[in-house]
Amino acid sequence: EIQLVESGGGLVQPGGSLRLSCAASGFIFSNIRMYWVRQVPGKGLVWVSHIKNDGTITDYADSVKGRFTISRDNAKNIVYLQMDRLRADDTAMYYCATDGGWKLSSWGQGTLVTVSS
Amino acid sequence: QSALTQPPSASGSPGQSVTISCTGTSSDVGGYNYVSWYQQHPGKGPKLIIYNVNERPSGVPDRFSGSKSGNRASLTVSGLQAEDEADYYCSSYAGSTTYVFGSGTKVTVL
Repeated sequence: EIQLVESGGGLVQPGGSLRLSCAASGFIFSNIRMYWVRQVPGKGLVWVSHIKNDGTITDYADSVKGRFTISRDNAKNIVYLQMDRLRADDTAMYYCATDGGWKLSSWGQGTLVTVSS
Repeated sequence: QSALTQPPSASGSPGQSVTISCTGTSSDVGGYNYVSWYQQHPGKGPKLIIYNVNERPSGVPDRFSGSKSGNRASLTVSGLQAEDEADYYCSSYAGSTTYVFGSGTKVTVL
């Protein structure tokens, strides 16, 4: 059974940093592109970032480019999202998800990030 | 990339059918046969229920079906059941391994 468990969310002041983690199990992690998607409470889903299976290629939404960094540790089966210079509009639930070939096949339960003073 | 357009709400009585629309552009919905639908219950992560416009993952009931015409996709839930009450999001591949999502539709079972 595929499991994705996000952690690392919390309350942070504007301008601060957080590192989110997503621990994966139940599949060959090193074969799969991984995604981060966020959702403002009560609103829709928004793609944030993704990373190729070997970590060599990454991409970011314009709203987070230059502030967020995605990375992965294939030995530990973990994907990370380093979030710097956080702003109030980064407040959201953050989900990691697996790429299933033109679809996001499996999702975690999310970790909540709140940016507020 | 702009979000795909969905109606904010839809409803039906148990046993009835409900159809949700998802409107995009030729750069996403109309450009690829890679439309997916996700079901999300309160406090839970999204769950894939339709992919490649009209295919169902293993374990998803055949009450869920999808279709597409031009820049518009649709999800139909037939034989509504209480457990179908949830938020539903469409998504489309948008090129360069990115995805765009819909604004979400809350389905209420009356």
